[in-house]
This record gives sequence, C-alpha cells and structure tokens, in this order.
Amino acid sequence: QSVLTQAPSASGTPGQRVTISCSGSSSNIGSNYVYWYQQLPGTAPKLLIYRNNQRPSGVPDRFSGSKSGTSASLAISGLRSEDEADYYCAAWDDSLSGWVFGGGTKLTVL
Amino acid sequence: EVQLVESGGGLVKPGGSLRLSCAASGFTFSRYSMNWVRQAPGKGLEWVSSISSSSSYIYYADSVKGRFTISRDNAKNSLYLQMNSLRAEDTAVYYCARDSSGYPDPNNWFDPWGQGTLVTVSS
Repeated sequence: QSVLTQAPSASGTPGQRVTISCSGSSSNIGSNYVYWYQQLPGTAPKLLIYRNNQRPSGVPDRFSGSKSGTSASLAISGLRSEDEADYYCAAWDDSLSGWVFGGGTKLTVL
Repeated sequence: EVQLVESGGGLVKPGGSLRLSCAASGFTFSRYSMNWVRQAPGKGLEWVSSISSSSSYIYYADSVKGRFTISRDNAKNSLYLQMNSLRAEDTAVYYCARDSSGYPDPNNWFDPWGQGTLVTVSS
C-alpha cells in the first residue's frame, strides 16, 4: 500500500487531454513539493515535473503539473502514442523522514 | 554525458548479503547527494536510502533500516548499498539516482536514474 494514492490506470486517444491524480496527506503533499516521474516500458524512471509544476529542459510543454492542498495532478495534452508509460508522483514525507511514491498510473493511448 | 551504472545484483538466498555499486560519470560526483530506489517486479517505486555529498547525512526507509547500509567513495565516483539479512520482499530492481543538490532535502528531485540492477532473494 503506497503512501500516495494514484489510480492504477488511465487512458486516452491521440490528441486528447488526460489528467493523472495523486492524493496524499498533510505530512507529504500538503507541506512539500510534488514530483512526477515517467517510466517508459522496460526503462528507468525519468524526471518529468519538479517542484509541483516545473518542467526540466527537454520535457514538452504538453506536460504540466499542479498541486492543491493534499492532492496533485499531472496533465498531458495533445496525447501521443509515445506517452504510453507508467507515471509516478513523489513527495517527501515529514512524518516518515523519507521519500514516498504513489503506486503509479499506467497510461494507455488507445 | 551524465551516466549512472549499477552493478552487483544477482540471486541470493534469504538471510544472505549482497553489495550493490553505482558508478557515476559525467558530473562532479562529490557535489551531489545520491539515492537508491527499488522496484519489485510488476510493482511501483519505493525509496530505499539517501546519502549527502559528504556522507554526513544518511536516511533509510523503515523497511530496510538496520539491514541496509548506504555509503559512497567520492574518490572513486561510486555509490554503494550493502544489503544484509535479505528477505524475499527485497527482490527488486535497484536504481541509483542523483539528487539535485548536495544535501537530501524535500526541495530536491532525482535526476538522472541509472538503468538498474536486479536483486533476487530466493532459496
């Protein structure tokens, strides 16, 4: 059971906009930044969003992050087949003094 | 090019030990905090441990505290994870990941990640 809660799956058609949610608590998302990692099939995770809504260089602006209270969201617009991957949210947990991850959301592009 | 290459994984019996290594290149290793994150087969990511650039600050997940030891050798640009008293539930791909600063902090992020090394604990 992950500390951060994500829906196990999401899907969309090419060109569509999809949103992936991440729910936490006051000790993690409520008081710290949220990060998003993308894991393409058979590869290592890659940083997608840092500090709630910042994109590293090279990440398309189709990807955006937001946070409100103890929840966060990753939005992907103009969905493309290469976006098919697992997406994980992460945050530092003050109570655990460690990093916590969501269980991951598997995005399927139909 | 920044690169992280893990090694040392393999098959080990329950109760056994294993030492993982992560060789870093393409950046000044001694300036960055480093992390281990694992992923059990078909499961999500789980943070394992973090170590600051000078080894002054070390953190462990409760699931490995007392059994695993993180360390680093800045002269060799290498990160290590000594794993003792291994259990079946430690079976996972272990990734090393660079932190965004020299000290583990909630404001930091993990980038990049290595390709991972598989540890299988089974009799």
